Amino acid sequence: EDKVVQSPLSLVVHEGDTVTLNCSYEVTNFRSLLWYKQEKKAPTFLFMLTSSGIEKKSGRLSSILDKKELFSILNITATQTGDSAIYLCAVWGAQKLVFGQGTRLTINP
Amino acid sequence: NAGVMQNPRHLVRRRGQEARLRCSPMKGHSHVYWYRQLPEEGLKFMVYLQKENIIDESGMPKERFSAEFPKEGPSILRIQQVVRGDSAAYFCASSPAERGPTNEKLFFGSGTQLSVL
Repeated sequence: EDKVVQSPLSLVVHEGDTVTLNCSYEVTNFRSLLWYKQEKKAPTFLFMLTSSGIEKKSGRLSSILDKKELFSILNITATQTGDSAIYLCAVWGAQKLVFGQGTRLTINP
Repeated sequence: NAGVMQNPRHLVRRRGQEARLRCSPMKGHSHVYWYRQLPEEGLKFMVYLQKENIIDESGMPKERFSAEFPKEGPSILRIQQVVRGDSAAYFCASSPAERGPTNEKLFFGSGTQLSVL
């Protein structure tokens, strides 16, 4: 069965810190890995990764994929209170997007 | 261009009643996915539909749950004879599937919070 595991499950840091969120996966017929941010309700798309070693960047957020070791990381530098959210990692399996359990990130001022 | 629309936002049902959750995908999107989320958990896949077809329902409970996506109108997730364990947030997502359904980002609605008393 396809599986996505995120760590840590919960993380509390101070504003300005840098954080790294982890995602490992076991999926048949891997196609792509996606990161989402979930604040109040609807998950919002952050990144889609398909190739190893190519970093995707958007402002203070960046992500990279390692298809050999089957994991991805999401980095957030100079964190702000608005970064507080649940970060979800997901991988396309056969015909469905399989999600990890999420990392709850809390940024304290 | 309106996003994925789900209604109602909140739904309260007593045990044994039926719950109907609606999802209108983004304009131009013909693929719909339903997910369930319990507190402090990730999104659990339930069902994947295209217009008038169920493509993958491997995440749907065998009894009481059904889904449809008719030619006209929204996708409906129907839960019959609800029990307390059905209380959860139910999210709908859509994609245009222009590059094939498994290499797209999904756009999510704001969800329906179902509470069973």
